Amino acid sequence: EVQLLESGGGLVQPGGSLRLSCSASGFTFSSYAMTWVRQAPGKGLEWVSSMSGSATSTYYAGSVKGRFTISRDNSKNTLYLQMNSLRAEDTAIYYCAKVPSNGWYFWDYWGQGTLVTVSS
Amino acid sequence: DIQMTQSPSSVSASVGDRVTITCRASQGIRSWLAWYQQKPGKAPKLLIYAASSLQSGVPSRFSGGGSGTDFTLTISSLQPEDFATYYCQQASSFPLTFGGGTKVEVK
Repeated sequence: EVQLLESGGGLVQPGGSLRLSCSASGFTFSSYAMTWVRQAPGKGLEWVSSMSGSATSTYYAGSVKGRFTISRDNSKNTLYLQMNSLRAEDTAIYYCAKVPSNGWYFWDYWGQGTLVTVSS
Repeated sequence: DIQMTQSPSSVSASVGDRVTITCRASQGIRSWLAWYQQKPGKAPKLLIYAASSLQSGVPSRFSGGGSGTDFTLTISSLQPEDFATYYCQQASSFPLTFGGGTKVEVK
């Protein structure tokens, strides 16, 4: 059974940093691109960043480029999102998600999400 | 960036109704479109991919159509568990983008 479990969320001051983790199980992690999607309170879904299975390709939304860094450790079946220079508008639930097949950038499995709150 | 516009933003319907949601892309995306269902406090759930392919385990009352710039999600006979918010998402090019969502509410 595919499982994705996010962690690392919490309260952080504007300008601060946070690292999110997504622990994966139930599939060959290194074979699949992974993605972070976020949802601000009461708002819609926003794609944040994606990384290929081999970690050779990365993609970022314009709103986080230069501040967030996606990475993965395929030996630990874990996806990360390093978030720096955080702003109030980064407050959201952050979901990690798995593609069903390489080259297909939509997502068949999602974690339960981790809440990031940026506030002083 | 490709903009995705969903309509309506909300719809009031009754159990048994046929409900259709539309999604328009600001440029052609062939069939690179997915639909998700999200219930309060839960992660999104994939319903339809490649515009019209039903994800495994999703009831057949859900169907998707369209290609290029105009797409639809249809629920043929609304069930109590279908009251939720629905999102389209283009998977054609980065940055990946979602529609603003359509909330299906009880009439």
